[in-house]
Amino acid sequence: AQTVTQSQPEMSVQEAETVTLSCTYDTSESDYYLFWYKQPPSRQMILVIRQEAYKQQNATENRFSVNFQKAAKSFSLKISDSQLGDAAMYFCAGTGTASKLTFGTGTRLQVTL
Amino acid sequence: SAVISQKPSRDICQRGTSLTIQCQVDSQVTMMFWYRQQPGQSLTLIATANQGSEATYESGFVIDKFPISRPNLTFSTLTVSNMSPEDSSIYLCSVEDRGLANYGYTFGSGTRLTVV
Repeated sequence: AQTVTQSQPEMSVQEAETVTLSCTYDTSESDYYLFWYKQPPSRQMILVIRQEAYKQQNATENRFSVNFQKAAKSFSLKISDSQLGDAAMYFCAGTGTASKLTFGTGTRLQVTL
Repeated sequence: SAVISQKPSRDICQRGTSLTIQCQVDSQVTMMFWYRQQPGQSLTLIATANQGSEATYESGFVIDKFPISRPNLTFSTLTVSNMSPEDSSIYLCSVEDRGLANYGYTFGSGTRLTVV
């Protein structure tokens, strides 16, 4: 993706509840991937979930799922049954044929008891 | 999936000096990417390093300031030259990883650089 936008600087969710993080993107390419990465305070970048643009089915990974709306260029992340360990910065990112990742500005997720 | 060893994990450096960051990958990869993450910010791509050719730099980054070496398919270094406090950031290397449950990008653990 050429540009990636995350409009939520911070979000908060109670433990065991569900939260959705928003992401929109813009690209002129037809073949691309979208990702959500998690960065805890350890600063390690951890891949949460990926979506291939040509796949209509939304990706899921255990408690994490995406809502991929290709026409709207929207790629939101839903975290179900939130856990304390989910607290981190979450970055939306996209890539195309050039294999370069473009990141959004990030959303800081707090998980409260 | 690929495993990347990045060193050093952190350093405090005097202004005007240089620091070289190393990334070693446990498998051969075509491209390696270097990112900068300024305090509280997102990741910005500095350059793409291919083995056997000069790195390709993104707008706003120049070779004199961030020279990169890529001597083989498993190793790369990024040097931050003539440092100033504005260079204080986290620097991360990354590889395109087709073994990551099919496809993704794997990152090193990052180098936290503080310039005083």
